[in-house]
Amino acid sequence: KTQVEQSPQSLVVRQGENCVLQCNYSVTPDNHLRWFKQDTGKGLVSLTVLVDQKDKTSNGRYSATLDKDAKHSTLHITATLLDDTATYICVVGDRGSALGRLHFGAGTQLIVIP
Amino acid sequence: DMKVTQMPRYLIKRMGENVLLECGQDMSHETMYWYRQDPGLGLQLIYISYDVDSNSEGDIPKGYRVSRKKREHFSLILDSAKTNQTSVYFCASKGEGTEVFFGKGTRLTVV
Repeated sequence: KTQVEQSPQSLVVRQGENCVLQCNYSVTPDNHLRWFKQDTGKGLVSLTVLVDQKDKTSNGRYSATLDKDAKHSTLHITATLLDDTATYICVVGDRGSALGRLHFGAGTQLIVIP
Repeated sequence: DMKVTQMPRYLIKRMGENVLLECGQDMSHETMYWYRQDPGLGLQLIYISYDVDSNSEGDIPKGYRVSRKKREHFSLILDSAKTNQTSVYFCASKGEGTEVFFGKGTRLTVV
């Protein structure tokens, strides 16, 4: 059973527009949640990590929220650029230690067009 | 420089051949992982290693085995590769806390 669900599956936006990606999960315990960016054919690059019960982070044009009560996270991308075209993956960690396991969503494929 | 290195990056093998995928990390992390990524699916956990010679099966270990003889190296072995093992394989390394680092992946094609 999939424990991390991302929506939408894919998204097309015009350069300069904002977009919001969603992540719902059922992982327990949910120690932290991390968003990754994966360019086509490349590895995963961390964008941000959320830890607190209700958390918010900001990293340049990327901002994210986490609500552990709702088991829900969002990733906001402001003023999208063509280079934002990638797959964005939500990952929930069940522990904040080296013994933890990671639970992956299938990703949202974002395409930014001119 | 914190890094996870995977070799090779691309590999084509015939069905039935043995395959060795190698992963190295320079952070002295105890925990390392092997995942595979297939289109439309999240990364699936094949094996976890908690330290030298301390390995545990993940969610899809069938057809794979691993070796960790040094903390900085973690190998994934496919004995007699099958076509359904065509995939992109990722190695990751995790220390204490939430930080995790991924390699760039190995694209394996079994023909």
